[in-house]
Amino acid sequence: NAGVTQTPKFQVLKTGQSMTLQCAQDMNHEYMSWYRQDPGMGLRLIHYSVGAGITDQGEVPNGYNVSRSTTEDFPLRLLSAAPSQTSVYFCASSPRDLSSPLHFGNGTRLTVT
Amino acid sequence: AQKITQTQPGMFVQEKEAVTLDCTYDTSDPSYGLFWYKQPSSGEMIFLIYQGSYDQQNATEGRYSLNFQKARKSANLVISASQLGDSAMYFCAMREGQYKLSFGAGTTVTVRA
Repeated sequence: NAGVTQTPKFQVLKTGQSMTLQCAQDMNHEYMSWYRQDPGMGLRLIHYSVGAGITDQGEVPNGYNVSRSTTEDFPLRLLSAAPSQTSVYFCASSPRDLSSPLHFGNGTRLTVT
Repeated sequence: AQKITQTQPGMFVQEKEAVTLDCTYDTSDPSYGLFWYKQPSSGEMIFLIYQGSYDQQNATEGRYSLNFQKARKSANLVISASQLGDSAMYFCAMREGQYKLSFGAGTTVTVRA
């Protein structure tokens, strides 16, 4: 069972470069989300989606774009990378249900120099 | 305003003893779910336990139990008979309207032999 697959695992960018973090799930989950994790701040929600074609902003959306063209995929785009975006990024999915826990990918460690 | 507050940045516990991790939350929604996750040093997010806002009994999962005090808006995690493998970061989280999951800043637990 693949679950939630994130790629790449590690990435180094220069300031101003753009890139896309990939996220795919094979559990037919309607809900998908992206978080960033910084020391002492827990996980903060960047963007989320409650179904294909629907996306919305979370707590810290600036500098990031998402799209949800299929149920399975939820890519996160960094438009012009900044050092403040150095972080660990997690993708997570679940059924659209308040009682369902999120299933997390293994994370992407991004460094912007 | 912080939705989830974890006031203990770090805790030490002796092996085989119990430890309580504090969590308070803030919401005006009558329907919500409370979750605890474990993040070991390897970085993956592991779901531990869930408590629904309408649940009358405290949730239990093996050595994990949740002390749910709805009027106080607290959802403390109790780990009984601590093991060395319990050393990790623990996050409290709440799921409410639009299915978004909000995390606290986390508590680092170190189990001493």
